[in-house]
Amino acid sequence: GQQVMQIPQYQHVQEGEDFTTYCNSSTTLSNIQWYKQRPGGHPVFLIQLVKSGEVKKQKRLTFQFGEAKKNSSLHITATQTTDVGTYFCAGPYGGATNKLIFGTGTLLAVQP
Amino acid sequence: EADIYQTPRYLVIGTGKKITLECSQTMGHDKMYWYQQDPGMELHLIHYSYGVNSTEKGDLSSESTVSRIRTEHFPLTLESARPSHTSQYLCASSKSSGGLTEKLFFGSGTQLSVL
Repeated sequence: GQQVMQIPQYQHVQEGEDFTTYCNSSTTLSNIQWYKQRPGGHPVFLIQLVKSGEVKKQKRLTFQFGEAKKNSSLHITATQTTDVGTYFCAGPYGGATNKLIFGTGTLLAVQP
Repeated sequence: EADIYQTPRYLVIGTGKKITLECSQTMGHDKMYWYQQDPGMELHLIHYSYGVNSTEKGDLSSESTVSRIRTEHFPLTLESARPSHTSQYLCASSKSSGGLTEKLFFGSGTQLSVL
């Protein structure tokens, strides 16, 4: 079945270091979304990418959608303790537009 | 901030009990979802609804059932809870956007523990 994998599963960084998580889908995605879940919290939508090769920035966060629309990445420049949490990518199941399959997630720990 | 509410926040219950997890949203969203998440793991879709009287099972098999009698309300019921049902249950909603995958708004979740 359709799978969405993320690497790494866990990353520990010193505050100020950069961080990247990679998302890989077994199938081509029409679009991809990213969510952040703080420890003990619920997922919160960050961004959606639609176009092949698209790059979007939100302050220190840079999101990229691969040319083949099967992979994506999230890069955080100069991490802060507020960046702590699990980052999930998510894409639509098969041809459905409203059923999301979530990636395995990357837990980011930031040491002050 | 999203206006989607789940109760209870935490529930500890014995095996065999019937439970209902409540989820309500005040945003007028037509679509609602239930996801199940074990600690440190990804979210799995167990139920979804595209509108009143419309419910479908998700891709993770679940013994729970749902109903959608009102647009704003999407409760999840377990007729007989078992320890294997212990998990976090997250409710979400979205608004139709004409074809593009919509972003989800999540509630705070219900952490269910079945003893």
